[in-house]
Amino acid sequence: NAGVTQTPKFRILKIGQSMTLQCTQDMNHNYMYWYRQDPGMGLKLIYYSVGAGITDKGEVPNGYNVSRSTTEDFPLRLELAAPSQTSVYFCASSILAGGRTDTQYFGPGTRLTVL
Amino acid sequence: GQNIDQPTEMTATEGAIVQINCTYQTSGFNGLFWYQQHAGEAPTFLSYNVLDGLEEKGRFSSFLSRSKGYSYLLLKELQMKDSASYLCAYTGGGNKLTFGTGTQLKVEL
Repeated sequence: NAGVTQTPKFRILKIGQSMTLQCTQDMNHNYMYWYRQDPGMGLKLIYYSVGAGITDKGEVPNGYNVSRSTTEDFPLRLELAAPSQTSVYFCASSILAGGRTDTQYFGPGTRLTVL
Repeated sequence: GQNIDQPTEMTATEGAIVQINCTYQTSGFNGLFWYQQHAGEAPTFLSYNVLDGLEEKGRFSSFLSRSKGYSYLLLKELQMKDSASYLCAYTGGGNKLTFGTGTQLKVEL
């Protein structure tokens, strides 16, 4: 299993541009998440999904959109990129709610710079 | 505001023992996780506690006191490769994790 994969690894955007960060998992996990991590800070939840067709906002959703058309894929869309969105973005997945199954497995991250 | 707290930085000597503390406040609690994150890499799972007490896994142990809202991660026989950020996170149900800002551990010779 590849686990959780993310593309691209790095990206530089100009202010106002848009892009999609890709995330795929091959573990048949129901739950998927998008986080951002700013330097010296913890992980902040942007959006999450409990299954195909179901998404919900996390702590910092403004400026982002998501979709979940399949179990495997959970893309994150940035519209009108702003410098405040410069961060490292991590996608994660977990199998089910409850107990140790809450363990989330993370992708390698996408480093995004908005200039 | 931040309802999960851990020290920002710690330094320890190779071969020694270090304890990283984490305190949290939440009305719903379903477990406490510890993750390790090396610079430029993704967080990786270390441990999970849901009941009070100590969970031991090799050189790493994690302790939880739910009544005190307190956990610690204990690292024994420190190695240089243990230099990393250690993140604690609680789950309050619904499979969402709330992360602390992480403790940057530096292991020196």
